[in-house]
Amino acid sequence: NAGVTQTPKFQVLKTGQSMTLQCAQDMNHNSMYWYRQDPGMGLRLIYYSASEGTTDKGEVPNGYNVSRLNKREFSLRLESAAPSQTSVYFCASSEARLFGGELFFGEGSRLTVL
Amino acid sequence: RKEVEQDPGPFNVPEGATVAFNCTYSNSASQSFFWYRQDCRKEPKLLMSVYSSGNEDGRFTAQLNRASQYISLLIRDSKLSDSATYLCVFPLGGKLIFGQGTELSVKP
Repeated sequence: NAGVTQTPKFQVLKTGQSMTLQCAQDMNHNSMYWYRQDPGMGLRLIYYSASEGTTDKGEVPNGYNVSRLNKREFSLRLESAAPSQTSVYFCASSEARLFGGELFFGEGSRLTVL
Repeated sequence: RKEVEQDPGPFNVPEGATVAFNCTYSNSASQSFFWYRQDCRKEPKLLMSVYSSGNEDGRFTAQLNRASQYISLLIRDSKLSDSATYLCVFPLGGKLIFGQGTELSVKP
């Protein structure tokens, strides 16, 4: 029962470095999402994908890129990390139509940018 | 006014108490909402879905007050295991908007 799997779980970067957060789901869901969670801010949507090959910007897309190469995987890339991107990142997926029904979240990736 | 606002708490209550959280929203067109539970440093998980005026599931009751534009979550007979952060979630403009969460701590 893997559900949604995110890697890495922890990462420390220096300003300007790049990295990719990986996310995979084994529930055959069409819709996938990337959120970030900061203290006092709630979860904010970075990017989402309604289906394989399609992606759209959420509330806070600046500084990020995403890739949905197949139905299972949805990756989030930071091209030039900044301290403001220090956060906890959650990948999620849903079976129903985009933003409908229950979201299933991964365990989160804790990123620190120095 | 933020689209969704929650009292961050913490709410500190004794075991067995009844506690209620409110979540105010600014979009009166919302027809449904959700409560998610998030344990410390873990991922959010769906607690309740509400598609009309309210829903009840065991010790948990969620209600929608459209006139005053808030939703509430009532927990009866609180357990130690209820300690968590509770997030209200609304669909808005084709997206899901999360509140910042209300922290509940149930003490023995």
